[in-house]
Amino acid sequence: DTAVSQTPKYLVTQMGNDKSIKCEQNLGHDTMYWYKQDSKKFLKIMFSYNNKELIINETVPNRFSPKSPDKAHLNLHINSLELGDSAVYFCASSQDSPGANVLTFGAGSRLTVL
Amino acid sequence: DQQVKQNSPSLSVQEGRISILNCDYTNSMFDYFLWYKKYPAEGPTFLISISSIKDKNEDGRFTVFLNKSAKHLSLHIVPSQPGDSAVYFCAASGYGSGNTGKLIFGQGTTLQVKP
Repeated sequence: DTAVSQTPKYLVTQMGNDKSIKCEQNLGHDTMYWYKQDSKKFLKIMFSYNNKELIINETVPNRFSPKSPDKAHLNLHINSLELGDSAVYFCASSQDSPGANVLTFGAGSRLTVL
Repeated sequence: DQQVKQNSPSLSVQEGRISILNCDYTNSMFDYFLWYKKYPAEGPTFLISISSIKDKNEDGRFTVFLNKSAKHLSLHIVPSQPGDSAVYFCAASGYGSGNTGKLIFGQGTTLQVKP
């Protein structure tokens, strides 16, 4: 039974399109995250939600909008896709423990923008 | 500005020998450090962690050492096994990351263990 699941696993789309990636966790965790792994392999945080409330919003373009309908779900919507958005996006979750979080990651969603 | 750095992109060792992966950080406010392991097409999985109040933490074949004065940590795997072949990420969190639980990752080291 997958702890953190994200869909789709692969997404190929044209520049200018709008797309969404969904994430669900069944661990009962309080906090969920979106991380981006770029072509240089760095994993960088984008957003974090705690009990549906946004607590981390890194310097991410406004075209990226996270939505958390409940604490088990954190979706990522991307408007007007650009070539530079091509990356692997990882969803993660953790139990609420500030400063000492062990994150559980999903398998990643590889987005390719043509 | 990369606050967590893994300067060796790759490492190759023989099965049964020790693997040593290194990580340096610049922010002295970090107080918790983690190692994650990642196989292709999978997400990173937690391996081992260490708090800044300790200098060593051991879990089976895996040991993490922390040298706060040098702002350096290392992961030792002994004995190394072919199944350990993966990308290893170092990560840090704590007050240095705004105390939000946010993890700052290094760029990863690819370990290959040869049979």
